[in-house]
Amino acid sequence: AQSVTQLDSQVPVFEEAPVELRCNYSSSVSVYLFWYVQYPNQGLQLLLKYLSGSTLVKGINGFEAEFNKSQTSFHLRKPSVHISDTAEYFCAVSDSLFGNEKLTFGTGTRLTIIP
Amino acid sequence: EAGVAQSPRYKIIEKRQSVAFWCNPISGHATLYWYQQILGQGPKLLIQFQNNGVVDDSQLPKDRFSAERLKGVDSTLKIQPAKLEDSAVYLCASSSPASGMGSWVYEQYFGPGTRLTVT
Repeated sequence: AQSVTQLDSQVPVFEEAPVELRCNYSSSVSVYLFWYVQYPNQGLQLLLKYLSGSTLVKGINGFEAEFNKSQTSFHLRKPSVHISDTAEYFCAVSDSLFGNEKLTFGTGTRLTIIP
Repeated sequence: EAGVAQSPRYKIIEKRQSVAFWCNPISGHATLYWYQQILGQGPKLLIQFQNNGVVDDSQLPKDRFSAERLKGVDSTLKIQPAKLEDSAVYLCASSSPASGMGSWVYEQYFGPGTRLTVT
């Protein structure tokens, strides 16, 4: 069975400062990893995904994440945050079974940007 | 392209009443999902359809929840009777395949959700 742990439920960061949101996963098979963002009263939007290849993945809005297999981590980073980055961020994992690609989500990290 | 549509956006009902949610996926997406997102938690998969067949409904409380996807397009999720603990956001998603190392992983696109409050 696969699972995702997001270690921080809330992260306050000053505007223009860097941020890292942590995600650790466990899975018995090959994994595919995702970060989604949820703005208030909206659905989830895909930020970036790791399927294969380079372990450094770049996404939208200046975010990037690094897949680390030995540490079973997929931390999300941004070098300089903006007020508009205030949102809930979810890490998710999917197994590789064709046609049965269930997504398992973490509990989320609420990112608050301080002006 | 149009995104995943859901209605209503908000619904308030009393416990023991029934409620239904509607989802229209992105055109051409064969796979459709319903998730329940309780406040402070990540989304939890309730049911997954491939065309109009059920792939996974292992976490659907079948004594009160039901879902259907007629003709493999739109879907409805129903709760009857509702309980206080059903208060949550119900998210619908649809998916298309993305390649990765010889396997196919479906990328999911989410609708805005329906916020249900049971009083």
